[in-house]
Amino acid sequence: AQKITQTQPGMFVQEKEAVTLDCTYDTSDQSYGLFWYKQPSSGEMIFLIYQGSYDEQNATEGRYSLNFQKARKSANLVISASQLGDSAMYFCAMREGYSTLTFGKGTMLLVSP
Amino acid sequence: SAVISQKPSRDICQRGTSLTIQCQVDSQVTMMFWYRQQPGQSLTLIATANQGSEATYESGFVIDKFPISRPNLTFSTLTVSNMSPEDSSIYLCSTRGSDYTFGSGTRLTVV
Repeated sequence: AQKITQTQPGMFVQEKEAVTLDCTYDTSDQSYGLFWYKQPSSGEMIFLIYQGSYDEQNATEGRYSLNFQKARKSANLVISASQLGDSAMYFCAMREGYSTLTFGKGTMLLVSP
Repeated sequence: SAVISQKPSRDICQRGTSLTIQCQVDSQVTMMFWYRQQPGQSLTLIATANQGSEATYESGFVIDKFPISRPNLTFSTLTVSNMSPEDSSIYLCSTRGSDYTFGSGTRLTVV
């Protein structure tokens, strides 16, 4: 079974609107971490936001927020007030215990004027 | 977070040759990770590199094809050996701190 599932291969949003990128995960560990990364066409991986499994509040970083629903095992990324520069590939990833990251297949976000 | 300098940023190589990718970290880190991202795909872990010991390779990756060096706590190299067009990918190094920081990636094309 896949550890990280991103069901949206592509998403379109108009500039200044909000968009939600879906991510569900599968783990039996009690301690884990969830990450979102942005990958522009240049190929670099840019860290956006982190949510720990014991964090009671949803993580926020500027225009990024993580809608963490533990019981449903979902960790959706919400981008508010989309900008043209947000067009990129977005990856959800999970760390179980102290292991490495496991990545989802990614969602391509296109922001139109 | 650590800052990683990765070189080269891109290269076009002939099949049968080898390419060495370097990652320099601005602070000492225990573990470094090497990933491959094939075109249109997600990231796949190649190996974990600890200083002073041999790298630990994931299933499907072998040391003869992807030798890794980790001479100190701030530096690591990955060599892609005897390249074929199937090795055309983005290769990324990473470290683990409060978050997982990545180098800027090496876009490799094998012709």
